[in-house]
Amino acid sequence: AQTVTQSQPEMSVQEAETVTLSCTYDTSENNYYLFWYKQPPSRQMILVIRQEAYKQQNATENRFSVNFQKAAKSFSLKISDSQLGDTAMYFCAFMNDAGYSTLTFGKGTMLLVSP
Amino acid sequence: ETGVTQSPTHLIKTRGQQVTLRCSSQSGHNTVSWYQQALGQGPQFIFQYYREEENGRGNFPPRFSGLQFPNYSSELNVNALELDDSALYLCASSLTASADNEQFFGPGTRLTVL
Repeated sequence: AQTVTQSQPEMSVQEAETVTLSCTYDTSENNYYLFWYKQPPSRQMILVIRQEAYKQQNATENRFSVNFQKAAKSFSLKISDSQLGDTAMYFCAFMNDAGYSTLTFGKGTMLLVSP
Repeated sequence: ETGVTQSPTHLIKTRGQQVTLRCSSQSGHNTVSWYQQALGQGPQFIFQYYREEENGRGNFPPRFSGLQFPNYSSELNVNALELDDSALYLCASSLTASADNEQFFGPGTRLTVL
């Protein structure tokens, strides 16, 4: 079974600064996908960024980028130029590239961006 | 394009009762997954439906059951409610059951069991 660990329950950052959220996972699979989801106080889960394990290049989406270290089973999220609207719970998630497509989530990191 | 919708938004039940939660998938999506998110936790996979058939199931007892209809909307039924069933229930739809299709989440149904 896969597990996803987020060791930072809460993080704080000031507007315009950079913050990195950590995630480690455990799997015996070789092909899989990793995700960061954002869940604002309104509750709707939104995909932030996605990484295919077979791709060596780290994924980027505007101000969001990841540091994917496959051997270390580490998948951190970097948010640059933090904005007040980035305040939310952030979940790291794993999906196998086989069988049915189920997401395994970590416990989440609450990110608070202050002015 | 209409996104994923869920009803009701909130629900209060008492222990032992039964509840039905509903999810309308995004247009063109034939796969729906259900997740339970307890307070302070990440979502946990309950089951997935693909073209009206259960396609996979997480570690939940049989009193958690589901249906998917020909229009690919879905229901989650929970019998004999327990206090620990209090949670946010999320559904997510995707184009197909393939792992390379993004799952789009609904806003959730907050269930409180007293």
